[in-house]
Amino acid sequence: AQSVTQLGSHVSVSEGALVLLRCNYSSSVPPYLFWYVQYPNQGLQLLLKYTTGATLVKGINGFEAEFKKSETSFHLTKPSAHMSDAAEYFCAVSLRSNDYTLSFGAGTTVTVRA
Amino acid sequence: EPEVTQTPSHQVTQMGQEVILRCVPISNHLYFYWYRQILGQKVEFLVSFYNNEISEKSEIFDDQFSVERPDGSNFTLKIRSTKLEDSAMYFCASSTTGGKGYTFGSGTRLTVV
Repeated sequence: AQSVTQLGSHVSVSEGALVLLRCNYSSSVPPYLFWYVQYPNQGLQLLLKYTTGATLVKGINGFEAEFKKSETSFHLTKPSAHMSDAAEYFCAVSLRSNDYTLSFGAGTTVTVRA
Repeated sequence: EPEVTQTPSHQVTQMGQEVILRCVPISNHLYFYWYRQILGQKVEFLVSFYNNEISEKSEIFDDQFSVERPDGSNFTLKIRSTKLEDSAMYFCASSTTGGKGYTFGSGTRLTVV
């Protein structure tokens, strides 16, 4: 069975500062890894995903994440926060051996200070 | 860009009533899923559907829940007798083989009163 842990339920950053959201997973097989963003009262939008190949993955809105197998981590970063980045962010993992059901972390709410 | 469409966006129902949530997955996708998110909590897997049958379901997906692909385009989630604790945002998703193109709909907010 796989599980996802997101460290920090709330992160507050200043506009222009680095955004770092932490995600660790446990899985018995190499997983697929995802980051989703959810704006208030909206659905889930895919930011980026890792399946195979390059471990540094670039996504939309200037976000990127790096898959580190040795650390079982998939942390999300953005060099410079924008007010529009205020949202909830979910890390998710999918086993490759099943039908790609996603297990989600508890989410991290990002607030951006002017 | 292809989308997963869910209707209605909001539904209010009385406890004990049956509800059907509707989804139109992306046309060439083969795997279909329902997830739910209770307010303030994480997104939870309910059920996956492939080749016209349930392929996996969670403990949440008990006998009160059922899914159907009645006409080759729609994918529905039925809750037979709603309870207050069924109040949540329900998300439909679909993907191609290999989990590629995994796409979520915008959700249906179900409120049971």
